[in-house]
Amino acid sequence: DVKVTQSSRYLVKRTGEKVFLECVQDMDHENMFWYRQDPGLGLRLIYFSYDVKMKEKGDIPEGYSVSREKKERFSLILESASTNQTSMYLCASSYGGYEQFFGPGTRLTVL
Amino acid sequence: QKEVEQDPGPLSVPEGAIVSLNCTYSNSAFQYFMWYRQYSRKGPELLMYTYSSGNKEDGRFTAQVDKSSKYISLFIRDSQPSDSATYLCAMSGVGTNAGKSTFGDGTTLTVKP
Repeated sequence: DVKVTQSSRYLVKRTGEKVFLECVQDMDHENMFWYRQDPGLGLRLIYFSYDVKMKEKGDIPEGYSVSREKKERFSLILESASTNQTSMYLCASSYGGYEQFFGPGTRLTVL
Repeated sequence: QKEVEQDPGPLSVPEGAIVSLNCTYSNSAFQYFMWYRQYSRKGPELLMYTYSSGNKEDGRFTAQVDKSSKYISLFIRDSQPSDSATYLCAMSGVGTNAGKSTFGDGTTLTVKP
C-alpha cells in the first residue's frame, strides 16, 4: 500500500512565522504535489515536483516555496505566515499516471 | 471560467436512493477522468477512473464519460450511509503533464438511514 505521511495533522502558528510542512512517500514516486483545500474553492495546486530538486509553480504559488532534496520528501514552506494561509494542506504523490495518492492533510491555523 | 466545473451540492438522499454526481470540463486534452472520495478529516482516495469515453462499472458505482459533451458522471446505486463523503472529479491529459490533475470543487453527499 502506498503511504503518504504528513508531519502534523494540526498546526497553529502566529502571523509572520516561518512554517514548514513536511510530506514523505514510501513508493518511490517521481511526482509530488502540494494543494490547499478551502470550502467553496476546492483543491488548488500550490507547487509540484517531477524529480529531485525540480519544482514547478501551480495555480497559487504566491507566499509559498518548496524543497525537494530527496525523492521521498517534499516540503512546503510558508516564508512569513499570514492569516489568509489558514487552510487544509494536502500532499500527494504519483508515479506519473492518472492516480494521485494523498496524505491525511495538515490543518494549519495562522493567528 | 474554471477548466472543471462540478455540481456544488450539498446533496442529501435517503438510504437506497440512486445518486448522480456530475462535472463538466472545457479542456479537450483531458483523457483520464477520475472520481475521488474524501471522508471527513481524511485525504481524497481514488474511487474510479475512466480512460477516454465510455462507461465503467464497479459494484454499486458507475462512471460515465461523454467527451462529445465534455460531461462526466458518477452514479451510486443503492446508496448507503457509508457513502456519505465529499466526491471530487479530476481530469488529466497525457504526456509530460500526465501526473498533474485538475480537480473539481467537490460535492458533499449525505446518505440518511
